[in-house]
Amino acid sequence: DIQMTQSPSSLSASVGDRVTITCRASESISRFLSWYLQKPGKPPKLLIYGASTLQSGVPSRFSGSGSGTDFTLTISSLQPEDFATYYCQQSFGVPRTFGQGTKVEIK
Amino acid sequence: QVQLVESGGGLVTPGESLTLSCVASGFTFKNYYINWIRQAPGKGLEWVSHISFRNSYSFYTNYADSVKGRFTISRDDAKNSVYLQMTGLRGEDTAVYFCARQPDYSNAYFDYWGQGALVAVSS
Repeated sequence: DIQMTQSPSSLSASVGDRVTITCRASESISRFLSWYLQKPGKPPKLLIYGASTLQSGVPSRFSGSGSGTDFTLTISSLQPEDFATYYCQQSFGVPRTFGQGTKVEIK
Repeated sequence: QVQLVESGGGLVTPGESLTLSCVASGFTFKNYYINWIRQAPGKGLEWVSHISFRNSYSFYTNYADSVKGRFTISRDDAKNSVYLQMTGLRGEDTAVYFCARQPDYSNAYFDYWGQGALVAVSS
């Protein structure tokens, strides 16, 4: 199975901060990488797929980059509604696997 | 609008069976893969299974090793529904189970999710 490792596991940031979350795959997954945001008690919401394609309706402050084994999710200016847990997910192989999550908290 | 609604969750004792349903609306159901993904209390996301759209005469299915041989996924396109039949349930199967839409095999991301159904396995 392809293992996905996110860092950091949690971070504290302020509104307006630039935030970067990284995701590393245990083997090359090309650009088959997606990012999700999840708030407590809610299902995950797709932000980015194909490593860098923004899902329809997602604000442009979110961006993704990377290929192969190393990927990043960047939030250019953190907004109050962005405090949540973020997950990466690979779709290169089966089983589909997720990172362990990165919790973004208010500083 | 796209909607996925899960049902069938509940409290069961270890070894029992349960079947979850996911009813879809707002899109051409037969053209999409559907996945089940679960989340144990306070934990991360774990992919469970997927079922393809109809290919020739059948569907393709896949399962996580943790459920292989115990869970069975199926679909009824006439009812816009996907099912997850769970047998031999264990405590570690306790989770919220989400169904999620996947555009196709190559685009294996999950663009719409249901609200989830809670399955609790306890004696």
